[in-house]
Amino acid sequence: DARVTQTPRDKVTEMGQEVTMRCQPILGHNTVFWYRQTMMQGLELLAYFRNRAPLDDSGMPKDRFSAEMPDATLATLKIQPSEPRDSAVYFCASGLRGSETQYFGPGTRLLVL
Amino acid sequence: KQEVTQIPAALSVPEGENLVLNCSFTDSAIYNLQWFRQDPGKGLTSLLLIQSSQREQTSGRLNASLDKSSGRSTLYIAASQPGDSATYLCAVKDSNYQLIWGAGTKLIIKP
Repeated sequence: DARVTQTPRDKVTEMGQEVTMRCQPILGHNTVFWYRQTMMQGLELLAYFRNRAPLDDSGMPKDRFSAEMPDATLATLKIQPSEPRDSAVYFCASGLRGSETQYFGPGTRLLVL
Repeated sequence: KQEVTQIPAALSVPEGENLVLNCSFTDSAIYNLQWFRQDPGKGLTSLLLIQSSQREQTSGRLNASLDKSSGRSTLYIAASQPGDSATYLCAVKDSNYQLIWGAGTKLIIKP
């Protein structure tokens, strides 16, 4: 059945390194969300796209984070340079415009040492 | 600023019991409220969505209610099963059309 996929599932890196997380939304979905989940802050919206255009990225630290959708089947979230405080689980979700339902991927667990 | 609170943070009950999870929000100007389930190491799955004009929604053993004026929602789980063990999150869509999330209630159903 259709589902959102995310790669990698786990990533351990050293402070200062670039991290790239990828998401493949469900085919046909035109809205993509990036979330970050930590024990302290819970779930936070970082950015979301509609028809590949960024609609809101106000939740994302602009100096080190960037989100793009090179095409309709791929969304990327990059952190450069990474810091220990970026350690979290990053979720991607996709949906259809007009529908309230978001379908979540399994997440990328990031640990920055 | 909209804030969503879920109490308790964790709950453990014996199998078969009926239980209620609570969600409260500070601003009643919401479009809808959703309940999600999160299993360890996995993403979130939407369980129930209540529009601001609705009072409740039901799906199987789950019933969610919404009292917008008091800023409260409850998720009622009937005849709990070990498979219901998960973290349950509620989220409200606020006046800016953004989802604001609660921290979740971790539920353990003991066999």
